[in-house]
Amino acid sequence: DIQMTQSPSSLSASIGDRVTITCRASQDIRNSLAWFQQRPGKAPKSLIYATSTLQTGVPSRFSGTGSGTDFTLTITSLQPEDFATYYCQQYNIYPLTFGGGTKVDIK
Amino acid sequence: EAQLLESGGGLVQPGGSLRLSCVGSGFTLSTYWMTWVRQAPGKGLEWLANIKQDGSQKYSVDSVKGRFTISRDNAKNSLYLQMNSLRADDTALYYCGRSHVVDLWGQGTMVTVSS
Repeated sequence: DIQMTQSPSSLSASIGDRVTITCRASQDIRNSLAWFQQRPGKAPKSLIYATSTLQTGVPSRFSGTGSGTDFTLTITSLQPEDFATYYCQQYNIYPLTFGGGTKVDIK
Repeated sequence: EAQLLESGGGLVQPGGSLRLSCVGSGFTLSTYWMTWVRQAPGKGLEWLANIKQDGSQKYSVDSVKGRFTISRDNAKNSLYLQMNSLRADDTALYYCGRSHVVDLWGQGTMVTVSS
């Protein structure tokens, strides 16, 4: 199975900060990488697919880059509603696998 | 507005069975791959299984193969997860999702496996 490793596992940031989360795959997954946001007590929300394509309605302060094994999610100018846990997922090879998550909380 | 609504969760003894259902509304479920994902208490997301539009292809994670079966009834706009031989480590919130790369999530249904 492909292992997805996210770093950091948690971070503290302030409103307006730029935040970058990294996701590394144990083998080449091309650009088959998605990002999800999960607020406490809520269902996940889909943010990005195909590494960099925003789902409908996702604010442009979210962006994704990468290819192969190394990917990043960047949030420019962090907003109060962005404090959440973020997960990456590869969908290139079965079984599909998620990263362990990155919790973004308030500094 | 497109929505997914799961049901069928509950408390079950180890070795028991449950059937989860997921009903879609506001969109035509038959045109999408559908997915099940779970989340154990305080843990991350775990992809479980998905199924093609016509049910002709199904994939699942090894930990549930032979125990869980994904199926669908497009006429009822519904997705199912039959769970047999349940174990304590199957305790989780179970989500259904629309599409191979989930773009719409349900609110989840809780399954607790305990004696």
